[in-house]
Amino acid sequence: QVQLQESGPGLVKPSETLSLTCTVSGGSISSYYWSWIRQPPGKGLEWIGYIYYSGSTNYNPSLKSRVTISVDTSKNQFSLKLSSVTAADTAVYYCARQLIIAAAGKYYYYMDVWGKGTTVTVSS
Amino acid sequence: DIQMTQSPSSLSASVGDRVTITCRASQSISSYLNWYQQKPGKAPKLLIYAASSLQSGVPSRFSGSGSGTDFTLTISSLQPEDFATYYCQQSYSTSPTFGQGTRLEIK
Repeated sequence: QVQLQESGPGLVKPSETLSLTCTVSGGSISSYYWSWIRQPPGKGLEWIGYIYYSGSTNYNPSLKSRVTISVDTSKNQFSLKLSSVTAADTAVYYCARQLIIAAAGKYYYYMDVWGKGTTVTVSS
Repeated sequence: DIQMTQSPSSLSASVGDRVTITCRASQSISSYLNWYQQKPGKAPKLLIYAASSLQSGVPSRFSGSGSGTDFTLTISSLQPEDFATYYCQQSYSTSPTFGQGTRLEIK
């Protein structure tokens, strides 16, 4: 049973860089895509970006200039860095496995395993 | 960006009711649509993928339908544990987007 656990500082100062790590246990990080998603207080879900275990990435266009996602297969971890944060970046941050399946000649993807989430507050 | 719009934003229902939640995409997304359930303080949980495929372990009272721009999530007989917020998510583009959520409350 694959499990994900987010870790990192719960408080970040404005203009600094938010850094989080997701540790994958119960399975290998290899051969999968891994995503970061966030949820501001009382609001909906926003996809931040994903990384393939090989290192290729794709980011939300609205955050692309500030986001870096990296992977460390030796530690079975992947990480998120979000630079120049403001109060608008205050949210619960989730990591998730993005599974891709083939069916009827099409490729579908969905987030099937999620971490419990970690709250990050941006404040001085 | 593909915009996803859910209706209603909130819904009150009773245990045993049949409930339908709608999700509309701003362009055709074929059957590239997923549904998630989120309870307060918890991570989202995958219910339905590819518009109508039930995720393993999800009760059969949940079902999904639709194609193109219009999709529905149906709960055939509401159980107490189903009161939660539900999100649709498109996987047509390489940048997934979510609906704003539908909060299902006890009447």
